[in-house]
This record gives sequence, C-alpha cells and structure tokens, in this order.
Amino acid sequence: DAGITQSPRYKITETGRQVTLMCHQTWSHSYMFWYRQDLGHGLRLIYYSAAADITDKGEVPDGYVVSRSKTENFPLTLESATRSQTSVYFCASSPGPPNYGYTFGSGTRLTVV
Amino acid sequence: TQLLEQSPQFLSIQEGENLTVYCNSSSVFSSLQWYRQEPGEGPVLLVTVVTGGEVKKLKRLTFQFGDARKDSSLHITAAQPGDTGLYLCAGANAGNNRKLIWGLGTSLAVNP
Repeated sequence: DAGITQSPRYKITETGRQVTLMCHQTWSHSYMFWYRQDLGHGLRLIYYSAAADITDKGEVPDGYVVSRSKTENFPLTLESATRSQTSVYFCASSPGPPNYGYTFGSGTRLTVV
Repeated sequence: TQLLEQSPQFLSIQEGENLTVYCNSSSVFSSLQWYRQEPGEGPVLLVTVVTGGEVKKLKRLTFQFGDARKDSSLHITAAQPGDTGLYLCAGANAGNNRKLIWGLGTSLAVNP
C-alpha cells in the first residue's frame, strides 16, 4: 500500500538499551523528517534528510542517530535510551521544500523505563 | 528564534457553533500550513497558503493568510464532533526553506 509507515506502533524499552524506530515511504519523496511530540513542547525536529545519504540535525538531535541509505527508508536509532526520550515519535516525508506540505506516519509511542 | 503562537490553546464548544483560531508570528513566512491531528495519529495537512491576503475554503473551514504573511486564521462554521482534534499551524521560513516552524496547536473539542 502506498503511504508512510512507522514501526513499531508501541515500544517499551529499558534505560541504556539501543532501540531503532523504522520509517518507510512509498512515494520516493526526497525529504524525510523525524519529530518527537511532547506535551507542552509540540513537535520538535530531531533529524531530517533532503535525499539519500544526506542528513542534517534538527533542534534536538542529541542521543539520536539516523541513516538514509535508500530513499524510502529513514530509521531513527536511540543509541542508549534515557527516560527523557519517552515520547511519541513521528516520521514525515515531503516531495520538496516545505511549501509542498508534509505527510506524517501514525507515530511510534516509545516508553523508556 | 522564530515562533508561531497559536490561540486559544484549548477550545470546547457545542455542535453547530462557529469558531476561529489564530496563528501569529513576528516573522514573515513564505507559506503557512494548517494540519489537524486526531488522537493516536499523525498530523494531516489541511491546506497551504502562500500569498499574503489569500483565503482558501475547504467545506466548512476557511483559512486566511495575513497581508504581511506573518499570521493566519482558521474559521470553522457550524462545527461538528468530527472537527475535534489538535489544529497545528506551521510556517516555512523564506530564508530556510527546508524546515517548518511549528506552533503548539489549538486543541478543539466539539461536543454533541
């Protein structure tokens, strides 16, 4: 099916563990983004990518790693999870500059215990 | 730091009422977008406005971009329970067009 899919939808992990959140889009959109959404902070950009093999930091990149070896995939890795990384994570894609608008996935709710 | 301020933060109304929510900034944007987010889902793009003074209508929703491209409003006529959700505005910076600047949203509840 066409669209943007995130997996898993829910994840509970322990402090210090590495965890990877997956994002896959079927439109061949150039741009992909990772956001976290927290009460009182809204959507905050973690990392973004303008094309395969090109990534750049957003507002809150510390503790996260991304890669984009293929246009359609943009995984987000928490190298050593902390409780402050408990959040809802959204992946988004766009065919071009932001004027085109973003399409979001359904999100991953991550709890770090 | 660019900010987009949305007001009100929360709004609870009865079905059939009209409402307006606002998105304001001191910065100029090349375009402004409105999204609606329902619980447990990602935001969904409703509209993009790009020209100062532009008005766009989407059924009962009317979006306006300010003449100076610093602010926008969303007016809903005869609200329905299906309109319930978090309304987010996001602006594209004329100087840094790769990323959107997001407001914190207006949480709307329409009661039957």
